[in-house]
Formats: sequence, structure tokens, C-alpha cells
Amino acid sequence: GAGVSQSPSNKVTEKGKDVELRCDPISGHTALYWYRQRLGQGLEFLIYFQGNSAPDKSGLPSDRFSAERTGESVSTLTIQRTQQEDSAVYLCASSLYGAEAFFGQGTRLTVV
Amino acid sequence: DAKTTQPPSMDCAEGRAANLPCNHSTISGNEYVYWYRQIHSQGPQYIIHGLKNNETNEMASLIITEDRKSSTLILPHATLRDTAVYYCISRGSGGYNKLIFGAGTRLAVHP
Repeated sequence: GAGVSQSPSNKVTEKGKDVELRCDPISGHTALYWYRQRLGQGLEFLIYFQGNSAPDKSGLPSDRFSAERTGESVSTLTIQRTQQEDSAVYLCASSLYGAEAFFGQGTRLTVV
Repeated sequence: DAKTTQPPSMDCAEGRAANLPCNHSTISGNEYVYWYRQIHSQGPQYIIHGLKNNETNEMASLIITEDRKSSTLILPHATLRDTAVYYCISRGSGGYNKLIFGAGTRLAVHP
């Protein structure tokens, strides 16, 4: 597709359930980023994939959060045993090596 | 990556130039200055970036001081649609450098 695609656009889940959020980057983009944005707050870095290098996981807030990326394609962010404080918009971005990043529209996660 | 400092908010009248400052006094020689903006309820949008020289594109101009310790993003003729949070980010060259966003400047363009 022409841009970064994220799915679902909205997700409501019960506390304690696991959720998977998907990101389809722009074709050919080597780098992929995940961010979290709570209501009224800035973007919080979560994880960064660059080509075949080991991902930078330094922003993951707890071991309930994990992400995978297969080659230079789709990435999945998984949150286990969701908590109410996980409610936020989760944003994905992709870029070519060292270039500007293009963002998706995000997944709005609500934990009830 | 160097830390950047921006004012939390600014106002601008429609049709006038909006000049958004950014301080990056600890920037190193190979770090670029990037600007993004986030319009309400949308993902961030890339605007412009530069290393040493001033840059201009269809969206904005970027003026970087000679010592590279600060820069200014200029929207030459602000419109109501330019109301957004503007983020200034310094980032090392090469691919393995993540983008870290600060709090940004909330620009309000009014009629």
C-alpha cells in the first residue's frame, strides 16, 4: 500500500486479556518503530527494528509487552494480561535506512 | 542522541509566519535536526530535516544557527490547518538511530 497501515483501528479489551496489534510498513522500508501515546501525552518510544540487527527494546515498559517483525515486513506488538494503564493509541512508523519516518494512524486500545 | 528543548505553546495569527524555536545545545557533529508535527488525532507527519545548512521545502523552512546549538522552523503563511504539536528531534546519522520525541510545541493558529 501507499502508507503505513495499522490494524485494528480500535480495540476494546477486558482487563487481563492479551491483545495483538498489527503494523504493515511501507514496502521496502528497513526500519520499523512502535510508540505509545496516552491521552494528552507525547509519544513514548517502545521498540525499534532496523533490518537484520537486534531490535532496540529499551522502551518496552514491562515484560508484558513484546514485538516481533518478520524480515522487513509485518510487525506485531503483543500486550499480555492487559491493564487499564495500557489504554492508549499505539503508533507504528517505518522508514528507509536513516531516512524520515512515516507514521500510521494508530490503534486506539481501551482496556475496560 | 542530543536532548532538545522547545517552548510548550505558541500562538500565531492566520496568514502570518510562525517561527518555532528549538534548542539543541548538546548536539554533536553528525546529528541531524528533524521536525515532525502531529495534528489532533492523527499520526505524526514529517516536515523537514537538516544538518548544517538552511533547508526549505513545500511545507516549511529550517534555519540552523552557525554553531548548530539551535534552530527555527518557519511556516511562512500559517493557516488554521497548521494548528498542531510540533516536535524538534535530534538524531544521529545512519540507520540505527531511533527517533525520540519530546513534549513539543503546541502551535495554535487563530483567525
